[in-house]
Amino acid sequence: AQKVTQAQTEISVVEKEDVTLDCVYETRDTTYYLFWYKQPPSGELVFLIRRNSFDEQNEISGRYSWNFQKSTSSFNFTITASQVVDSAVYFCALNGGTASKLTFGTGTRLQVTL
Amino acid sequence: AAGVIQSPRHLIKEKRETATLKCYPIPRHDTVYWYQQGPGQDPQFLISFYEKMQSDKGSIPDRFSAQQFSDYHSELNMSSLELGDSALYFCASSPTIPGLEFSRQYFGPGTRLTVT
Repeated sequence: AQKVTQAQTEISVVEKEDVTLDCVYETRDTTYYLFWYKQPPSGELVFLIRRNSFDEQNEISGRYSWNFQKSTSSFNFTITASQVVDSAVYFCALNGGTASKLTFGTGTRLQVTL
Repeated sequence: AAGVIQSPRHLIKEKRETATLKCYPIPRHDTVYWYQQGPGQDPQFLISFYEKMQSDKGSIPDRFSAQQFSDYHSELNMSSLELGDSALYFCASSPTIPGLEFSRQYFGPGTRLTVT
């Protein structure tokens, strides 16, 4: 069985602060994929990133960066210089590959204030 | 680029009524997934179809049924609706041909179902 844990239920930061959202996963698959999605108040799920289990390179995209550590089964997400528009619920998710259901974590609600 | 289309976007039903949600996947995507997201919860997998056959099943109530049609669109039928069925229902699609994109599911905007 697969499991994704996002221990942080809610985080509040002031604009321009850096914030890291934690994600820990469990799977018995040797090949798997990790994802982060953003869900703004409007409700849609916005894809942010996908990582496969063989690629442990960290990735940076603008103010977003991701740290994948297979040794600790973690896939953490950092937002640098947060902005009010970053306020949303962020979900970490996992699947086993082709045509495989996604298992989501419980989400972290990020509130960025001025 | 074409996206996943879901209809209707909003639906209000009364208890014990029936609802049908529709999903039109991205062209050339042959796998469709349905997820249910209750208020304040994470999306939960309901069911998936590959080439019109059910490929996986999650915690989908017996009152719900789904199918995928020859044009790859899918419908989720929900009968004897209960208050607890109020949720955001997402459809997602993915291609299964080998390649970089096959692992990613593309989500539709969701259908918000309210049962009163």
